[in-house]
Amino acid sequence: GQNIDQPTEMTATEGAIVQINCTYQTSGFNGLFWYQQHAGEAPTFLSYNVLDGLEEKGRFSSFLSRSKGYSYLLLKELQMKDSASYLCAVNDYKLSFGAGTTVTVRA
Amino acid sequence: DTGVSQNPRHKITKRGQNVTFRCDPISEHNRLYWYRQTLGQGPEFLTYFQNEAQLEKSRLLSDRFSAERPKGSFSTLEIQRTEQGDSAMYLCASSPPQEGKGAKNIQYFGAGTRLSVL
Repeated sequence: GQNIDQPTEMTATEGAIVQINCTYQTSGFNGLFWYQQHAGEAPTFLSYNVLDGLEEKGRFSSFLSRSKGYSYLLLKELQMKDSASYLCAVNDYKLSFGAGTTVTVRA
Repeated sequence: DTGVSQNPRHKITKRGQNVTFRCDPISEHNRLYWYRQTLGQGPEFLTYFQNEAQLEKSRLLSDRFSAERPKGSFSTLEIQRTEQGDSAMYLCASSPPQEGKGAKNIQYFGAGTRLSVL
C-alpha cells in the first residue's frame, strides 16, 4: 500500500521561505514528484527527484532522502501567486499523491 | 498543441444517470491516466493506458466505471448508474514514451471534469 503524509496547511509572508515536508511509505518507488495546483485548475509539474539530494530550479528546490522516505519542497522569495496547493507524489508508473499542502502567502 | 484537453469541464447529473467524459492527451504521448480528486484530497489513481491497452485498473474503479482508448489517442471514461459518492473532479493526464527504467514519467494533467451528482 501507499502512505504519503504532508502537512495540511502552511502560511507565510510575501518574500519569505517556506519548506513543505513529505514522508512516504510505498510498495514501489521510481522517483518523487512535486506538483502545484491552484484552486479549480490542473496540477502542474514543479520538480522531480529520483536520487538523493537537492534539485534546484529557480525559486523552487526539492530534496529527497530515499533511506528516510522523506522529501521537501522549498519555496523561496514567496510571491502572492504561490498561494496554491502543493502535492507530493510517489512515482511507480502511476502516481500516488499525498493530500496536498495548502500554502497561503500573505502580504 | 495546448496540452491535455478534457470535456466537458462541468457535468451535473441526477443519480442513476450515465455520464461520459472525454480526454484528449498531448500528441505523441502514448500513456494516458485517469484520476479522481475530491475536495481537500490529492488525486487518486483510477486506470491507465499504454497506447490502446488498458494496463491497470484501481480497486476504486467499480464495475459501474469503464474506460476506453480505442485508437490509442483520445480516451473516454463512462460512469453508469451514477451515485452521489461519484461527485468529484475527474482528471486525465498523459505522459510521453518512457526512455528506459528509472526515466522521468512526468504526467501532464488536464483541467478536469467536475461531476456533481444530485
